[in-house]
Amino acid sequence: DAKTTQPPSMDCAEGRAANLPCNHSTISGNEYVYWYRQIHSQGPQYIIHGLKNNETNEMASLIITEDRKSSTLILPHATLRDTAVYYCIVRVARLSTGNQFYFGTGTSLTVIP
Amino acid sequence: DGGITQSPKYLFRKEGQNVTLSCEQNLNHDAMYWYRQDPGQGLRLIYYSQIVNDFQKGDIAEGYSVSREKKESFPLTVTSAQKNPTAFYLCASSLTGLNTEAFFGQGTRLTVV
Repeated sequence: DAKTTQPPSMDCAEGRAANLPCNHSTISGNEYVYWYRQIHSQGPQYIIHGLKNNETNEMASLIITEDRKSSTLILPHATLRDTAVYYCIVRVARLSTGNQFYFGTGTSLTVIP
Repeated sequence: DGGITQSPKYLFRKEGQNVTLSCEQNLNHDAMYWYRQDPGQGLRLIYYSQIVNDFQKGDIAEGYSVSREKKESFPLTVTSAQKNPTAFYLCASSLTGLNTEAFFGQGTRLTVV
């Protein structure tokens, strides 16, 4: 299974860019990389996802390496409300059992005033 | 408004009792998922369903049961066979393609005393 590895915690100064890394070295060719975040005791919130190309939306940018073995989520101007646990997920495709989202333990991002 | 609803938000049960957690979605999604989260941990997949009347075990299905009689509903029963049922339970739904995000409910915190 394509699983992910993330640093357990990171700090970022308010107003600066937060760069959250993720390794997914066993990812298969048709499996997407997703990013979610979770604020304490709430359901995870979708941020962005991608396959090969870099992606950008109103929340963040996703940079995927050419070999697809790692990616980086970029929050361009971090605010205090971005303090959360960020999960990098690979959506695994199986002919027998369909598609599943596999969550790791995530990165706890603290934005510092 | 479209969304996914879990109820109740907090649930208390005595040890040895079965308890059923509700999950309803009006997003017209075929796939639904149940995850468990323990303090300081990531999400672990309990069960998922890609279509009505069909569901698959996830990584930690022992002690749990589900049904999928309607597209909108995917209730989870925590049985007395589950050794450590106290946890935060999250339900999610998605379309079945690989290029689609999952939407999460706000979770049910179950405490067994």
